Amino acid sequence: QSALTQPRSVSGSPGQSVTISCTRSSGDVADYHFVSWYQHHPGKAPKLLIFDVRERPSGVPHRFSGSMSGNAASLTISGLQAEDEADYYCSSYAGTIVFFGGGTKVTVL
Amino acid sequence: QLLLQESGPGLLKPSETLSLTCSVSGGSISSSSYYWAWIRQSPGEGLEWIGNIYYSGITYYNPSLKSRVTISVDTSKNQFSLKLSSVTAGDTAIYFCARREMAAMVAFDYWGQGTLVTVSA
Repeated sequence: QSALTQPRSVSGSPGQSVTISCTRSSGDVADYHFVSWYQHHPGKAPKLLIFDVRERPSGVPHRFSGSMSGNAASLTISGLQAEDEADYYCSSYAGTIVFFGGGTKVTVL
Repeated sequence: QLLLQESGPGLLKPSETLSLTCSVSGGSISSSSYYWAWIRQSPGEGLEWIGNIYYSGITYYNPSLKSRVTISVDTSKNQFSLKLSSVTAGDTAIYFCARREMAAMVAFDYWGQGTLVTVSA
């Protein structure tokens, strides 16, 4: 069982917004640092979308945004596009150990 | 542009040792700002961090795999490697190598395409 919990799937129509949550399974989220988010199209290399909770690397579209509230980090995709259909993973670390969430499949209807 | 490429056998028998190499091009593995990592994805499952190595040889491992994992680095070849002993069917997965940026992002900013390793008798 992953220490970071994500919904198994979310879906939306083109142009809509979807939000993926990432919550600590136990303990205090403050123990986890530098939340990052990754997009993974099967068969391809995962891609870094968000680092340090809300920062975007250069080249990542502005429709991808990250936030944190209470015990949960979130990734929001605004203006959903067909190419956004993929698996999304959150990640963080505690001490020297890196954790990934279980992944969320985003389906564009 | 940094490129990472995994290589190694794609089929193993139970109890054998998995050995993979990640070749890094377009940048030096000896930079002080990065760790180098192995991550895997089992069929139908999410990503699982296996471990990190620094160019100096400092390693950090997933506690659940620590007893079977060894990650090493060869700075002269700009490569790092993974060994996982006593494999079982549960180790069947796509294995990715990645760079973990530690100065500003603290995230995996470059990934290889991944290589499928199947464990079967």
